Amino acid sequence: EAEVAQSPRYKITEKSQAVAFWCDPISGHATLYWYRQILGQGPELLVQFQDESVVDDSQLPKDRFSAERLKGVDSTLKIQPAELGDSAMYLCASSSRDRVEGNEQFFGPGTRLTVL
Amino acid sequence: AQSVAQPEDQVNVAEGNPLTVKCTYSVSGNPYLFWYVQYPNRGLQFLLKYITGDNLVKGSYGFEAEFNKSQTSFHLKKPSALVSDSALYFCAGGATNKLIFGTGTLLAVQP
Repeated sequence: EAEVAQSPRYKITEKSQAVAFWCDPISGHATLYWYRQILGQGPELLVQFQDESVVDDSQLPKDRFSAERLKGVDSTLKIQPAELGDSAMYLCASSSRDRVEGNEQFFGPGTRLTVL
Repeated sequence: AQSVAQPEDQVNVAEGNPLTVKCTYSVSGNPYLFWYVQYPNRGLQFLLKYITGDNLVKGSYGFEAEFNKSQTSFHLKKPSALVSDSALYFCAGGATNKLIFGTGTLLAVQP
């Protein structure tokens, strides 16, 4: 069964350092999402890609966060510099192009970030 | 503003009893509604969705949900709970493919 891959699974860093997370969506899925899930809360959308284009990054803190999906396949989310409040689970999800709206999203296992 | 609410932080049920996890939504237009389940240190797994059509939606692992437009609710149900159903459940909704997630409900099924 096809799955969304994410790495690393866990990351511990010190504040002011740079971190990067990688996501490989299910093959053929045109839409890719990055979410942040703070402990005890639901996922919050950070950025959404359609192929290689950003379609929504309204909740992405652009002073320190960046995301790219250069070839429209895998994606990288970067934080520079990391702050204590960035400690969270970062989830990647993908969905197919078959129906633009109402498609279920398939989630990866997530990267748990701890900033010390 | 669109929102999804899960009024219960935790639901406790005995194994074999029916379970209900509540969800209400505030979405403009025709809503797309989803239920996901999350096990510890794992990503979210899709359970079921409502887009249009029959108000009763059947999903994975024996779960079902009923869309109620007048009450703006989409409660998750299962006739007979299993201990293995214990997990964190999220309701999500939106009018496009941008989803708003609820805060989650922890389901604890006691043997």
